[in-house]
Amino acid sequence: QLQLQESGPELVKPSETLSLTCTVSGGSITSNSHYWGWIRQPPGKGLEWIGSIYYSGSTYYIPSLKSRVTISLDTSKNQFSLKLSSVTATDTAVYYCARHGRAIYGGFDSWGLGTLVTVSS
Amino acid sequence: EIVMTQSPATLSVSPGERATLSCRASQSVSNNLAWYQQKPGQAPRLLIYGASTRATDIPVRFSGSGSGTEFTLTISSLQSEDFAVYYCQQYNDWPPLTFGGGTKVEIE
Repeated sequence: QLQLQESGPELVKPSETLSLTCTVSGGSITSNSHYWGWIRQPPGKGLEWIGSIYYSGSTYYIPSLKSRVTISLDTSKNQFSLKLSSVTATDTAVYYCARHGRAIYGGFDSWGLGTLVTVSS
Repeated sequence: EIVMTQSPATLSVSPGERATLSCRASQSVSNNLAWYQQKPGQAPRLLIYGASTRATDIPVRFSGSGSGTEFTLTISSLQSEDFAVYYCQQYNDWPPLTFGGGTKVEIE
């Protein structure tokens, strides 16, 4: 059974870079049937997609964050990562990694548990 | 960007009753729409994809319908474990992938 697990610092200072890693087990991130994505949820608010990466390395980002976001793959470790630079308090959120399919199967069918990242000095 | 609008924001329902949740897209998304359930402190769970196909292990009381710009999630007979927040999400035209603002289903 596919499992995803986020890891990384839970506290980041303003203007610094938020870095998270998602470790995938029970499946390969080199699957050509899926994308691997990051979604965040500010406390008490809704879901916001940040970006996704395909096994080929192609990346897709939300325009509002595109200048600050990098998503990358590490196939040797079956992991993918998120970097968000120049963070502010508005980046405080629970960050989820998740898998989504292609075409009609485009929903996020597997999720990590999420990790709360707080931006504060 | 395709904007997803859910209504109502909150739905008060008694156990055993039917719940009907709506999702509207700002432009056609064909049937490339998913529904999720999220309980407090948990990650979202995929309920429906392709507008009407139940995901693995999802009970038959959950059903999705619609295409184009208007979609509905119906819970035929609410169980205690169904009280949660529900989100719709389009994946027809991306980036960006976009979610609705959510509907909270609460006990009346």
